[in-house]
Amino acid sequence: EVQLVESGGGLVQPGGSLRLSCAASGFTFSSYWMSWVRQAPGKGLEWVANIKQDGSEKYYVDSVKGRFTISRDNAKNSLYLQMNSLRAEDTAVYYCARDGALGYDDWGQGTLVTVSS
Amino acid sequence: AIRMTQSPSSLSASTGDRVTITCRASQGISSYLAWYQQKPGKAPKLLIYAASTLQSGVPSRFSGSGSGTDFTLTISCLQSEDFATYYCQQYYSYPQTFGQGTKVEIK
Repeated sequence: EVQLVESGGGLVQPGGSLRLSCAASGFTFSSYWMSWVRQAPGKGLEWVANIKQDGSEKYYVDSVKGRFTISRDNAKNSLYLQMNSLRAEDTAVYYCARDGALGYDDWGQGTLVTVSS
Repeated sequence: AIRMTQSPSSLSASTGDRVTITCRASQGISSYLAWYQQKPGKAPKLLIYAASTLQSGVPSRFSGSGSGTDFTLTISCLQSEDFATYYCQQYYSYPQTFGQGTKVEIK
């Protein structure tokens, strides 16, 4: 059974940093692109970033470029999102998702990031 | 960025109804479209990919069609467990973008 478990969310002040983690199990992690997708409270879904199987390609939505960094450790079956210079508009539930190239076919339960003073 | 526009934003329907949700892309995306279902407090669930291919385990009352810029998700006979919010998503180009969602409520 595929499992994706996010952690690392919490309350952070504007301008602060946070690192999200996603622990994967139940599939060959190194064979899949992986993505982060977020959802602001009461709002729709927004793709944030994704990363190729070997980490050689990474893509970001414009609003986080230069502030967020996606990475992975295939030896640890883990996906990360380093978030710097956080803003109030980054407040959201962040989901880790397995990117099956034809859509996100498995999702974690999400971790809430709140940016507020 | 490609803009995805869903209609309607919400609808009220009864169990047993046929429901259709449309999704329009601001430019052609071939068949690089997925549909998701999301229930409150839960992660989204992939229903359909490549515009019309049913994800494994998804009931056959769900179907998708379209290509280019216009797409539809149809639920042939609405069940109680289908009341949720539905999103389309294009993965034709970066940034991958979602529609704003369609909330299906009980009439």
